Amino acid sequence: QSVLTQPPSASGTPGQRVTISCSGSSSNIGSNRVNWYQQFPGTAPKVLIYRDKQRPSGVPDRFSGSKSGTSASLAISGLQSDDEADYYCAVWDDSLNGHVFGGGTKLTVL
Amino acid sequence: QVQLLQSGAEVKKPGASVKVSCKVSGSPVTELTIHWVRQAPGKGLEWMGGFDLEDGETEYAQKFQGRVAVTEDTSADTVYMDLSSLRSEDTAVYYCVTVKSQNNWNSWFDPWGQGTLVTVSS
Repeated sequence: QSVLTQPPSASGTPGQRVTISCSGSSSNIGSNRVNWYQQFPGTAPKVLIYRDKQRPSGVPDRFSGSKSGTSASLAISGLQSDDEADYYCAVWDDSLNGHVFGGGTKLTVL
Repeated sequence: QVQLLQSGAEVKKPGASVKVSCKVSGSPVTELTIHWVRQAPGKGLEWMGGFDLEDGETEYAQKFQGRVAVTEDTSADTVYMDLSSLRSEDTAVYYCVTVKSQNNWNSWFDPWGQGTLVTVSS
């Protein structure tokens, strides 16, 4: 049981906009910055969004992050087949005094 | 540019210990904060612990308290993760990660090592 709750799967067609949600609590998302990681099969995750909505250099602006209260979202616009991957949200938890991850969302491009 | 190179795959028997290394290049390890994250086959990511951003002491997820130890050899720019009393549920890919930021509340992991598969089997 993950501290952060994500839908196990999401899907969309090429060109569509999809969002992936991440639900937490006041001790994590409600008070700290959320990060998103993208992972392709057999490879290490890489940061996609950090500090709620910042994009590392090289990450297309099709990817965006937002947060409201104790929930965060990752939005992908102009969906491409290359976006098929697993996506994880993560944040520091003040109560657990450690980093926590969501269970991950598998994105399928139909 | 910081890069993390991890040691190779390991096969261990239940009850044994494993030590995974993470060699840092592109920066002295003393200027970085390294943590460890693992991923069981077909499962999600799980934070294990590492050096605290704010005081440099080691901090571990409660689940691993007493079984894990993260150490560093500054002369070799290498960080190690020791996991003892291994059981089948510890079969996973173990990643070392660099923690960015100076405070836990707004930190993130970048970059990641390539991962080390540890298999626990009798």
